[in-house]
Amino acid sequence: GENVEQHPSTLSVQEGDSAVIKCTYSDSASNYFPWYKQELGKRPQLIIDIRSNVGEKKDQRIAVTLNKTAKHFSLHITETQPEDSAVYFCAAGARGNAGNMLTFGGGTRLMVKP
Amino acid sequence: KAGVTQTPRYLIKTRGQQVTLSCSPISGHRSVSWYQQTPGQGLQFLFEYFSETQRNKGNFPGRFSGRQFSNSRSEMNVSTLELGDSALYLCASSRQGVTNTEAFFGQGTRLTVV
Repeated sequence: GENVEQHPSTLSVQEGDSAVIKCTYSDSASNYFPWYKQELGKRPQLIIDIRSNVGEKKDQRIAVTLNKTAKHFSLHITETQPEDSAVYFCAAGARGNAGNMLTFGGGTRLMVKP
Repeated sequence: KAGVTQTPRYLIKTRGQQVTLSCSPISGHRSVSWYQQTPGQGLQFLFEYFSETQRNKGNFPGRFSGRQFSNSRSEMNVSTLELGDSALYLCASSRQGVTNTEAFFGQGTRLTVV
């Protein structure tokens, strides 16, 4: 089955700096890569996703890059703010009826210091 | 529109008992997935239901089961509870499945087994 590794497990940055979280996956059939943000005591929420037919996607301060050959994808947050502090999860999944499930990475606790 | 609703929010059970958790998806969503979240193991996939049929199942023992009703509401059941079953159980609702369309998580049910 799919295996997703996520690094680092904790990340501390100064407000205004950039943060990068990296994930690798094992199953070449995976073609959907979402990122979720989970604030303390709250539900995970989708912040950005990418499908395997594109290499990069941006949404304001957030961007995700995908390298299918190397089987890794990354989340980039620029101009970090204290409200970006949360746990971030990457995930990988295969689109289609047979593989409609997500395998999650272990999570990254991001702390943005004001 | 109403979000994903999970009940109850908190449960305390004794070893050996059984428990049933409920998830009401967003109206119009036919897919419900269940995940177990623990500090050590992260988010792990339990199973996914689509139009009352289980499409995928994760690597959990047979003590974990689920079902989905015609109104798309889903329940999961854990029998013969063990201490290690203590976790946050999250369900995710989506129109066509978590890799096809955006998934929305519920607040979760925090299960404590004593």
